[in-house]
Amino acid sequence: GAGVSQSPSNKVTEKGKDVELRCDPISGHTALYWYRQRLGQGLEFLIYFQGNSAPDKSGLPSDRFSAERTGESVSTLTIQRTQQEDSAVYLCASSHSLVVLQETQYFGPGTRLLVL
Amino acid sequence: LAKTTQPISMDSYEGQEVNITCSHNNIATNDYITWYQQFPSQGPRFIIQGYKTKVTNEVASLFIPADRKSSTLSLPRVSLSDTAVYYCLVGRRNSGNTPLVFGKGTRLSVIA
Repeated sequence: GAGVSQSPSNKVTEKGKDVELRCDPISGHTALYWYRQRLGQGLEFLIYFQGNSAPDKSGLPSDRFSAERTGESVSTLTIQRTQQEDSAVYLCASSHSLVVLQETQYFGPGTRLLVL
Repeated sequence: LAKTTQPISMDSYEGQEVNITCSHNNIATNDYITWYQQFPSQGPRFIIQGYKTKVTNEVASLFIPADRKSSTLSLPRVSLSDTAVYYCLVGRRNSGNTPLVFGKGTRLSVIA
């Protein structure tokens, strides 16, 4: 596609519910990243994928958060038993490769999650 | 990863040149310096990248002194549309497993 797309663009859910956020990276990009951004704050790195593998999951805030990627394409970030502090914008980015770290990351528009 | 320090916020009037300085005292030999820009309600986007001396593109200039312990992003003649958060990142080439990490950035407000 022309750019990174994310869905849904907005999600309102009740505390305790599970949510699934989707990211479609730019075609051919092997590296994919998830970030969280709370209102007025900087980006908080969550997890990255090189291909379908996530070498380091230590950035995930808790065991309620999980992510997967299939076919070196679409990735989903799942938040189980959502809490109010999970409310934030969840941003996805992709790049050609992770090996050359200075590859430009291209960001999607984000999913705005509000947990009531 | 090299830690970066930037001012939290800056204000400027339209038409002025804005310089945002980022400190990265423990930058390594293989590290490059990259700046991203984030408009409200959008994801960040790449502005400029450099290793040493000066880099210029259609958007900005990046000045890096010889010791590379800091860098300055220069925006010429800013307009209201340059109001955004600017992030400085320092990353290592070819380490294989560690992506760049965004800090809090500098919030630039351009005033008419």
